[in-house]
Amino acid sequence: EPEVTQTPSHQVTQMGQEVILRCVPISNHLYFYWYRQILGQKVEFLVSFYNNEISEKSEIFDDQFSVERPDGSNFTLKIRSTKLEDSAMYFCASSKGQGNTEAFFGQGTRLTVV
Amino acid sequence: AQSVTQLDSQVPVFEEAPVELRCNYSSSVSVYLFWYVQYPNQGLQLLLKYLSGSTLVKGINGFEAEFNKSQTSFHLRKPSVHISDTAEYFCAVTGSGGSNYKLTFGKGTLLTVNP
Repeated sequence: EPEVTQTPSHQVTQMGQEVILRCVPISNHLYFYWYRQILGQKVEFLVSFYNNEISEKSEIFDDQFSVERPDGSNFTLKIRSTKLEDSAMYFCASSKGQGNTEAFFGQGTRLTVV
Repeated sequence: AQSVTQLDSQVPVFEEAPVELRCNYSSSVSVYLFWYVQYPNQGLQLLLKYLSGSTLVKGINGFEAEFNKSQTSFHLRKPSVHISDTAEYFCAVTGSGGSNYKLTFGKGTLLTVNP
C-alpha cells in the first residue's frame, strides 16, 4: 500500500540552526501539506502546496519557514533559524484532490530544538 | 473558519465495553468531518469521514460516527472495544467549499482499553 514517508524520524538541532524536514508524498498525489503538533497540543495546519506553489498558509508559517518540491518526489519543509518553540512533531500529508478526498499522513518527524 | 472541540482528553474503558468519543465543531459553512487515529509512534490514519448523504458513516476497525447537524456533533462510537484500539483519536473538519484540504483538528482523545 502506498504511503507517505518522512525522514528523519527524530531530529535534534541547536537553536538558531537551519533544519530541513523531508517527505516523499504518494506518487500520484497533487496536493501536499505540512502540519505540526506541539507536545500536548492540537495538530495545526502550517501550509498547503499545489502546482509548485503555496496555496494556503497559516499564521504560524512565517518568514522562517519555507517549502519546496525540489524534484518530482520530495517535498521539504525548511526552518531557517530554529527556536525552542519550534520543537514539535511535524507531519507531512498528501492527497489526490481537495477537501472530499483522503489526506494520507506520514509518521512524522519529531524535531527537538535545544 | 472552523473549530473542533473534543470534550474528553482521556477515556479509559474495559475491553469489550462500548465507547463513545465526543466531537463538536463550529463552522459558518458546510463541512466535511473526519476521525483520525494515531497509534503510538505512528502517523495519523483515517478512520472514517462524512462528506454528504447518510449521517451514519462506518469506518475501519468497527468504528462508526454520526453526523448531527443541529447539534454540530460528530461523535465516534464502537460497540465493543479491543485492547488494540488503545490510541489517540482526533476529530477534524474542513470547509466543503474550500479549495484546499486544510484540516482543523481537535485536541485529541486518548482512548485506553484495559483488560
